[in-house]
Amino acid sequence: DAMVIQNPRYQVTQFGKPVTLSCSQTLNHNVMYWYQQKSSQAPKLLFHYYDKDFNNEADTPDNFQSRRPNTSFCFLDIRSPGLGDAAMYLCATSRERTASYNEQFFGPGTRLTVL
Amino acid sequence: GDSVTQMEGPVTLSEEAFLTINCTYTATGYPSLFWYVQYPGEGLQLLLKATKADDKGSNKGFEATYRKETTSFHLEKGSVQVSDSAVYFCALSHMDSSYKLIFGSGTRLLVRP
Repeated sequence: DAMVIQNPRYQVTQFGKPVTLSCSQTLNHNVMYWYQQKSSQAPKLLFHYYDKDFNNEADTPDNFQSRRPNTSFCFLDIRSPGLGDAAMYLCATSRERTASYNEQFFGPGTRLTVL
Repeated sequence: GDSVTQMEGPVTLSEEAFLTINCTYTATGYPSLFWYVQYPGEGLQLLLKATKADDKGSNKGFEATYRKETTSFHLEKGSVQVSDSAVYFCALSHMDSSYKLIFGSGTRLLVRP
């Protein structure tokens, strides 16, 4: 089945220690998104890639970076995690940014713990 | 700007009860509307969608109708099951916001046996 895969499902890091979260997709979608979701809240969009074009949200801290080396993979790098960065991180894809193909497909998420 | 408002939770129901979760939106034109469901510890799953006025989305016994006149997209199910216990998010997507998802705050549903 075509899907969005996130690894690892659970990640523990230390305060200030860089961490990378991984997302891959077999859907061959053009758009990939990264969201941060804290407990009992809606997902908050951090940034997205439309093909190779990176689109950052205005309120995303500089501490968060992303890479998309090819269509299938996208990485979220947190350069110096703070306690406030503990959250569920969700990756999503959509086929296009158009009215016909804008539904997003989500991965299972990576839960990040910062000690 | 675009926004989505959905009813506060938690909503607690007994098995086989009728479910309504209200969702209203603010947007110009005709956004696409979605309901996503999130089970504990998991990502979001698309439950249903509608892309134009009077469209009805349906899936797994859930339904929602795109009402332009009331800017609403209420989620309904005739008979809930314990397995429906989850958080439900209403969302819209619109050209004016580059088709990014604008989420409501989510409504937690708890179904008791």
